[in-house]
Amino acid sequence: AQSVTQPDIHITVSEGASLELRCNYSYGATPYLFWYVQSPGQGLQLLLKYFSGDTLVQGIKGFEAEFKRSQSSFNLRKPSVHWSDAAEYFCAVGSPTSGTYKYIFGTGTRLKVLA
Amino acid sequence: KAGVTQTPRYLIKTRGQQVTLSCSPISGHRSVSWYQQTPGQGLQFLFEYFSETQRNKGNFPGRFSGRQFSNSRSEMNVSTLELGDSALYLCASSLVGSMNTEAFFGQGTRLTVV
Repeated sequence: AQSVTQPDIHITVSEGASLELRCNYSYGATPYLFWYVQSPGQGLQLLLKYFSGDTLVQGIKGFEAEFKRSQSSFNLRKPSVHWSDAAEYFCAVGSPTSGTYKYIFGTGTRLKVLA
Repeated sequence: KAGVTQTPRYLIKTRGQQVTLSCSPISGHRSVSWYQQTPGQGLQFLFEYFSETQRNKGNFPGRFSGRQFSNSRSEMNVSTLELGDSALYLCASSLVGSMNTEAFFGQGTRLTVV
């Protein structure tokens, strides 16, 4: 079955520290991969996506993610966290071939940033 | 350019009632998908519509239904509400409904069933 695992439910980092959020997926082939962010009471905003090609992708707000096929992972990173990055982060996969627009989301990682 | 608009933002309903939620996609977008977000189950796919046709449906009971109009606006309906239907319902729109195009999410409708 297709699934996405985000092993860390909560992460706390200090402002200015580096960040890595983990994401592993289970899928028949290489899916499309996404990271979304959700602030309290808001919808989801796309941070970055991977379809093919360069396995290191750059996104908005200084985020990047690396696709590792051998580990079925797509971890999100940021070199220096800002207080405004406190939010919930969701990894998601989508099928390149299904002919429908459907995400399978992980359970999310809630990020807390200490001043 | 207006974003995805969901109305109403908040709803309180009683068990057994039915409810209709609305989603207006970004102008020109033809695909609308719906998700239910709860603390216990996370974000779960409900269904997707493209050009007024339901292309995919998630694993939800028949009490959950939807439709899409010719102007791409979409509604979802939940009948015979249960306490467990309390959730944030999010819709997303995309231009052509292909996953290599970006989907934009609305702010959601917070449904509380009492």
